[in-house]
Amino acid sequence: DGGITQSPKYLFRKEGQNVTLSCEQNLNHDAMYWYRQDPGQGLRLIYYSQIVNDFQKGDIAEGYSVSREKKESFPLTVTSAQKNPTAFYLCASGTGDSYEQYFGPGTRLTVT
Amino acid sequence: KQEVTQIPAALSVPEGENLVLNCSFTDSAIYNLQWFRQDPGKGLTSLLLIQSSQREQTSGRLNASLDKSSGRSTLYIAASQPGDSATYLCAVNDYKLSFGAGTTVTVRA
Repeated sequence: DGGITQSPKYLFRKEGQNVTLSCEQNLNHDAMYWYRQDPGQGLRLIYYSQIVNDFQKGDIAEGYSVSREKKESFPLTVTSAQKNPTAFYLCASGTGDSYEQYFGPGTRLTVT
Repeated sequence: KQEVTQIPAALSVPEGENLVLNCSFTDSAIYNLQWFRQDPGKGLTSLLLIQSSQREQTSGRLNASLDKSSGRSTLYIAASQPGDSATYLCAVNDYKLSFGAGTTVTVRA
């Protein structure tokens, strides 16, 4: 099955701990994206990568870090510097041709 | 900075009625516009993609129109069903996606 997988579905962490969210795709897409969704708000872009070993900050990158060592994988680390990390995190991938994006099932992170 | 607005925030209709969802955006220099569906606690499912050169796109009971000059898109869902209950998001692509907050639709049986 082609698609985007995110793991885990639910994640719980104590304040002050770093946590890494996984995103893998087998669609052979060059571009990958991380978004954050809060209740009643639209998705906000955290980081994106258009090619391996390169990535750019989105609108709300502070307190987050990413890596893109492989085309298929784009993990997101939520650091202790992120002031309000509790949210629903969505990963997406896309082609350079149509700029259409495809989304994974999301990870709900709760930090207490 | 691109601003995307979706009105209304919520909509409740009886089964069989046609749905009209609105999306407006501030900067008309876009590559395309995507409509997504999101079920509670789930990821986004792409419904329709309209390229900037297109006026509308259709898939089954869904039809989306795009008027770049006025900064508007409308998603029409014909003969609504309870299974259409979800949140519908529009996203404008001007090298990156900017999302509206969504319209939550409830179709009453």
